[in-house]
Amino acid sequence: EPEVTQTPSHQVTQMGQEVILRCVPISNHLYFYWYRQILGQKVEFLVSFYNNEISEKSEIFDDQFSVERPDGSNFTLKIRSTKLEDSAMYFCASSAQLQGMGGELFFGEGSRLTVL
Amino acid sequence: KQEVTQIPAALSVPEGENLVLNCSFTDSAIYNLQWFRQDPGKGLTSLLLIQSSQREQTSGRLNASLDKSSGRSTLYIAASQPGDSATYLCAVTAGGTSYGKLTFGQGTILTVHP
Repeated sequence: EPEVTQTPSHQVTQMGQEVILRCVPISNHLYFYWYRQILGQKVEFLVSFYNNEISEKSEIFDDQFSVERPDGSNFTLKIRSTKLEDSAMYFCASSAQLQGMGGELFFGEGSRLTVL
Repeated sequence: KQEVTQIPAALSVPEGENLVLNCSFTDSAIYNLQWFRQDPGKGLTSLLLIQSSQREQTSGRLNASLDKSSGRSTLYIAASQPGDSATYLCAVTAGGTSYGKLTFGQGTILTVHP
């Protein structure tokens, strides 16, 4: 069964360092998303991406965050200068249709980011 | 701002019981509602997707209902098994221009003991 894959599964970094989280969405999907879950809290929306541009972003997704689809398969989330509060599980998701138009979201296993 | 609440926060039942998990949302103008399962330290597995025009969806032992006007959804699990133990999350796609944004509840932690 097709699945969303994420790497790395766990990354430990020092505060102020840049981090890139990678995702390979399901191959025929057109819409891509990043969510995060701080330990013990709700899953939160970060950004949606379609046709090589951001469709929507939350207030969390400030200038230190960026997303990119560098080739036909990968979708990346970059955090430029990590802060302690960026420690969380980051989930990538994809859908064949836009969520609001009936598209079902499929999530990856997540990348756990620990900022020291 | 859309808020999603799930009740109960935790539930422990013996194997074989039928159970109901509840989800409520404050803004009824949603496109759809999705139920997920999350195992500890793992990703989210989609269980059921209900469009705003639908009343319910079924998959195996799972049945989810949606009452959009009252802002409620329930997930019914029949004949529960220990393998059903996990956190169950509901999430809604808000109406308006938020086509691609899911708002999640905090989840119900389900434990099914043998």
